[in-house]
Amino acid sequence: GESVGLHLPTLSVQEGDNSIINCAYSNSASDYFIWYKQESGKGPQFIIDIRSNMDKRQGQRVTVLLNKTVKHLSLQIAATQPGDSAVYFCAERGTGNQFYFGTGTSLTVIP
Amino acid sequence: GAVVSQHPSRVICKSGTSVKIECRSLDFQATTMFWYRQFPKKSLMLMATSNEGSKATYEQGVEKDKFLINHASLTLSTLTVTSAHPEDSSFYICSATLNQGRYFGPGTRLTVL
Repeated sequence: GESVGLHLPTLSVQEGDNSIINCAYSNSASDYFIWYKQESGKGPQFIIDIRSNMDKRQGQRVTVLLNKTVKHLSLQIAATQPGDSAVYFCAERGTGNQFYFGTGTSLTVIP
Repeated sequence: GAVVSQHPSRVICKSGTSVKIECRSLDFQATTMFWYRQFPKKSLMLMATSNEGSKATYEQGVEKDKFLINHASLTLSTLTVTSAHPEDSSFYICSATLNQGRYFGPGTRLTVL
């Protein structure tokens, strides 16, 4: 089956530094990707998305990069803040409009 | 702002009772909604796809008689955990698609004593 995985299960960064969270996907036919933020005890929150015809997309303090050649997705958070501490996971939309979700990376921001 | 709501956010019940969880799409119609279950520090596990006006589609291994789904309107899907047992304790999350994106509700924490 299709799989979406994350390279690092945990990530600790100093407040103010930039964070980079990575995701690998296996289905080259996936055409749409989403990054989610999930805080403890809450549902996943839609952060940013990107279509497969793009390489980069920027939001407020977040940037998603897509490298289709190596099937790699990354989320960059600029000037990381304590409120950014959460689990981040990616999702890919594969065939039949099915979404597949990664396990997640736990980001801890150190004040 | 939130696009999908869930109610209740937290429920504690005795073993053997049934619990209903509501999922609503806010300001948009969702012909399809999705129900997930999430264990601590684990990824989302799709339980079933709720289809308005027709039967839900259950994932392999999910008991349809145990987890009853009703999608009575274009903005409401309900998940009823029947005869709940402690092993049903979990975090249940619904989601819906809006403009091709998949949005999640805030989740419902079910604890069965």
